[in-house]
Amino acid sequence: AQTVTQSQPEMSVQEAETVTLSCTYDTSESNYYLFWYKQPPSRQMILVIRQEAYKQQNATENRFSVNFQKAAKSFSLKISDSQLGDTAMYFCAFMKQGGSEKLVFGKGTKLTVNP
Amino acid sequence: EPEVTQTPSHQVTQMGQEVILRCVPISNHLYFYWYRQILGQKVEFLVSFYNNEISEKSEIFDDQFSVERPDGSNFTLKIRSTKLEDSAMYFCASSFQRETGTGYTFGSGTRLTVV
Repeated sequence: AQTVTQSQPEMSVQEAETVTLSCTYDTSESNYYLFWYKQPPSRQMILVIRQEAYKQQNATENRFSVNFQKAAKSFSLKISDSQLGDTAMYFCAFMKQGGSEKLVFGKGTKLTVNP
Repeated sequence: EPEVTQTPSHQVTQMGQEVILRCVPISNHLYFYWYRQILGQKVEFLVSFYNNEISEKSEIFDDQFSVERPDGSNFTLKIRSTKLEDSAMYFCASSFQRETGTGYTFGSGTRLTVV
């Protein structure tokens, strides 16, 4: 079974600065997807960024980028130029490619961006 | 932008009562999911649904739970006899294709409180 671990329950950052959220996972699968979801106070789960395990290049979406280390089973999220609207819970998630559709989530990191 | 809509946003029910949580997925999506998040814990997969049948379910999804798509637009989760431990946020999600590396679209959730 896959597990996803987010070791930072809470983090804070000053507006305009950069913050990195950690995620590690455990799997015996070779092919899979990894995701970061954001859950603001409105509660909706919003996809921030995704990574296919077979791609070596780290995914980037505007101010959000990942550092994907497949051998280390690490998938951290970097938020550059943090904005107040980035304040939210951030969940790392894993999906096996082939045979299952379910997302396996970590416990989340609560990020607060301070003015 | 298309949304997954969940109603109600908050439901309070007495232990032993039946509850139905409702979701309207994105209209051209074919795969549907329910997840739950007990307060302070991980988001957990409950069930996936395609072509009017369950395609995968977790061990949480026991005989107390059922899902259906009664009219081609709504997707419902029924809990037959609620327990205190069913108190959680319940998220509906949908996707156009199975095992999507693009991630699902989630709704804003229904907070279920069993008293």
